[in-house]
Amino acid sequence: GPKVLQIPSHQIIDMGQMVTLNCDPVSNHLYFYWYKQILGQQMEFLVNFYNGKVMEKSKLFKDQFSVERPDGSYFTLKIQPTALEDSAVYFCASSLARTGGAETLYFGSGTRLTVL
Amino acid sequence: GDSVTQTEGPVTVSESESLIINCTYSATSIAYPNLFWYVRYPGEGLQLLLKVITAGQKGSSRGFEATYNKETTSFHLQKASVQESDSAVYYCALGGSSNNRIFFGDGTQLVVKP
Repeated sequence: GPKVLQIPSHQIIDMGQMVTLNCDPVSNHLYFYWYKQILGQQMEFLVNFYNGKVMEKSKLFKDQFSVERPDGSYFTLKIQPTALEDSAVYFCASSLARTGGAETLYFGSGTRLTVL
Repeated sequence: GDSVTQTEGPVTVSESESLIINCTYSATSIAYPNLFWYVRYPGEGLQLLLKVITAGQKGSSRGFEATYNKETTSFHLQKASVQESDSAVYYCALGGSSNNRIFFGDGTQLVVKP
């Protein structure tokens, strides 16, 4: 089936540094999402993105977070500066449309971010 | 708020035994909830197992079934006879918001013994 690729699978950085997580969504999809899962906790919605804009974000999407998809390339999540509590697995997802919440999302395998 | 609660794992069953993973939801801000089961096999990304968008309907895939029960706000996942290849983490999820925001349960790890 359709694949969402996330690069890298694991990233370790020092607190205060900037990090960019990359996502290669399904090629014809139009909607993009980031979810965050802290170890032992639920996977939680961060943000969704369409047509170059953030459509909705949760309270977990701090001011230090930003997303973009320049020129239809990778969909990225940037954290600047990072904090210890940003350590988690970040999952990217994409969907073809936005059919009132019934759309199937396709997820990547996640990027495990460790902030030291 | 909007949330999902599911059976705490791990759940261990023997091959060919039956399985049920319970899921209940609370949808206070979603007018028309849609319900999903996603699965994550080892080393892979989350993938849709089945979804039901109409109350009272049943979804099925790969031998798994789940019925959307609006009265009991439940969406339990069942399979009559599991296989070792079903070992994975199963997530019940609630959708239905206009921006496709999904609320996930904690996930239930299923271990199927040969």
